[in-house]
Parts: sequence; C-alpha cells; structure tokens
Amino acid sequence: DGGITQSPKYLFRKEGQNVTLSCEQNLNHDAMYWYRQDPGQGLRLIYYSQIVNDFQKGDIAEGYSVSREKKESFPLTVTSAQKNPTAFYLCASSKGLAVSYEQYFGPGTRLTVT
Amino acid sequence: GNSVTQMEGPVTLSEEAFLTINCTYTATGYPSLFWYVQYPGEGLQLLLKATKADDKGSNKGFEATYRKETTSFHLEKGSVQVSDSAVYFCALSEGYNTDKLIFGTGTRLQVFP
Repeated sequence: DGGITQSPKYLFRKEGQNVTLSCEQNLNHDAMYWYRQDPGQGLRLIYYSQIVNDFQKGDIAEGYSVSREKKESFPLTVTSAQKNPTAFYLCASSKGLAVSYEQYFGPGTRLTVT
Repeated sequence: GNSVTQMEGPVTLSEEAFLTINCTYTATGYPSLFWYVQYPGEGLQLLLKATKADDKGSNKGFEATYRKETTSFHLEKGSVQVSDSAVYFCALSEGYNTDKLIFGTGTRLQVFP
C-alpha cells in the first residue's frame, strides 16, 4: 500500500534535547511538507521541500531543521532552540508544483517535551 | 496576505441533521479550495476540492461550492452520521507553481445518535 509513514506515534523528550521525527513516503511524490498542529489552531507550515536536496522555510521554521537527501524521506529535527516544542507534527507530500495537487498526510507524531 | 476563516466549533448535531460549516477566504489571484477531515488521533484526509469559481466539490455526501463573489466555500451535508464526527479544515492553495496550503483553524463536529 502506498502512503506516508511517520514514526513514532508518541515521543517524549526532556527539555534541552534535540529530537528527530521520521517521515517516509512511497508515493513517488516530489514535494514534502512538515506542519505543526496546536489545540484550537490550524496547521502551520514549518518547512517544505519541492525536490531532493532543496527545502524552504515555512511560516514557523525557527528552532527546526530538515534534510531531503532522498526523495522518500524528509526528517524533521526539533532543536533545543524551539521554545515550545510540545505539539502534534504532521508530515505531508504531494506530486509537485501544481495548484490542484492534493497533499497526502501521514498519521502524525505527538511530541511531548518536559 | 492570504487567509482562511472558519466558523468556530464545536458544532453539535443529532444524527440525520443538516450540516453547514462556514468557510470564507481572502486571496489574491485564483486559489484552489479544499476541505480536509481529521478523525481522532489521525492525520488529515482530503474530503473534497474545487479549483475554479462555481465548481462544486463533492464526496461521501459532503458538498461545497466555490463562490468567488462571496469568497466562500461552505461545507454541507444533508444528513450527518455519528461516523462523521471529526475536525474539518478548510484550506486554500496560494496559486500556481506552489502546492503550499493555508489552513483555517478547524471546526469540530460532534454527531450524537
């Protein structure tokens, strides 16, 4: 089955530690995205990548980093510089640069930092 | 800048009631419009979309019409079921050469038997 895999589903970390969230897709999509979801708010774009070895900052990139070394993978690192990292993180992918291409979402990772 | 505004929830309905969730947008150019649904503990799934004015998107009994004159894309369903309980997000794309989406804050729907 084609789709997007995010692991783990729940992640707990101590404050001051970096943590990397995994996102893998086997849809052969060029574009991938990371969003953050907080209670009562919509999704906010952290980073996106339209092609391998290239990525751009979204609206709330501070305190996060990404890499896109392979088409299938787009890991997100939440660094200790992120002031409020506890949130639900969603990864998505789409075919590429076209306005009507839908985004496919993974199941999400809930990160709790204490 | 571009933005999406949704009615606040939760929306609480009895089974078989009529559903409307309002969505209005602000955008330059000619965005595409989407409704996504998020079931508890899951990611988002595309429910329906419309890519130009007067288009009607429909899926699973849900419908929404792209109204450029009122900048709206309201979601409707004639008869809701308990299984429709979820959070619904309205979203727009920013235009050509991008797949970036701007989401509304989401509207929680609770349907009781």
